[in-house]
Amino acid sequence: SQTIHQWPATLVQPVGSPLSLECTVEGTSNPNLYWYRQAAGRGLQLLFYSVGIGQISSEVPQNLSASRPQDRQFILSSKKLLLSDSGFYLCAWSRNRGRNYGYTFGSGTRLTVV
Amino acid sequence: AQSVTQLDSHVSVSEGTPVLLRCNYSSSYSPSLFWYVQHPNKGLQLLLKYTSAATLVKGINGFEAEFKKSETSFHLTKPSAHMSDAAEYFCVVSDRANDYKLSFGAGTTVTVRA
Repeated sequence: SQTIHQWPATLVQPVGSPLSLECTVEGTSNPNLYWYRQAAGRGLQLLFYSVGIGQISSEVPQNLSASRPQDRQFILSSKKLLLSDSGFYLCAWSRNRGRNYGYTFGSGTRLTVV
Repeated sequence: AQSVTQLDSHVSVSEGTPVLLRCNYSSSYSPSLFWYVQHPNKGLQLLLKYTSAATLVKGINGFEAEFKKSETSFHLTKPSAHMSDAAEYFCVVSDRANDYKLSFGAGTTVTVRA
């Protein structure tokens, strides 16, 4: 069966510090991968998605970047965090680009920038 | 462009009474529709999905939803609420116009009174 791992679960970082959140998927190959952010009291915002190694699409301009160095690894990064980067970050995967059968989400990372 | 409107930001019910969460969608193509549930500080769990098969969809934990094309609705119901149903619920739409990426509603918070 497929599983998705996301870490760390919680993170407190000072403004201006770097960020690296990692997500890995097991039990499947060539998944589509996604990073979402959920700010307090708001819905989910798609930040990045990837349909293959090295292929990253950005949905919104921001202080963050994403990379996919391996087929089942997706990394969210920042060189210098802003207070506005605080939120709940969720990684997700789906099978392919065709008819969508839903995403499977990781357990999330609560990021607090202080 | 596809979009979802969740008509209630907050729903409060008594334990053992029915739950109704309302969702209207907009899509130019045959959409896929989903309901996800999120418990506090957790990832999202898929409750059920509609992908052009039966219009009445049964999901986990006693939830079901009915796809009504004429009303562009996909309301979520449960005949008898349980305390463990207290969570946030997201209605989600996907179609080929947006490359099958998911578009989330703003969410409905469900409170269950003892």
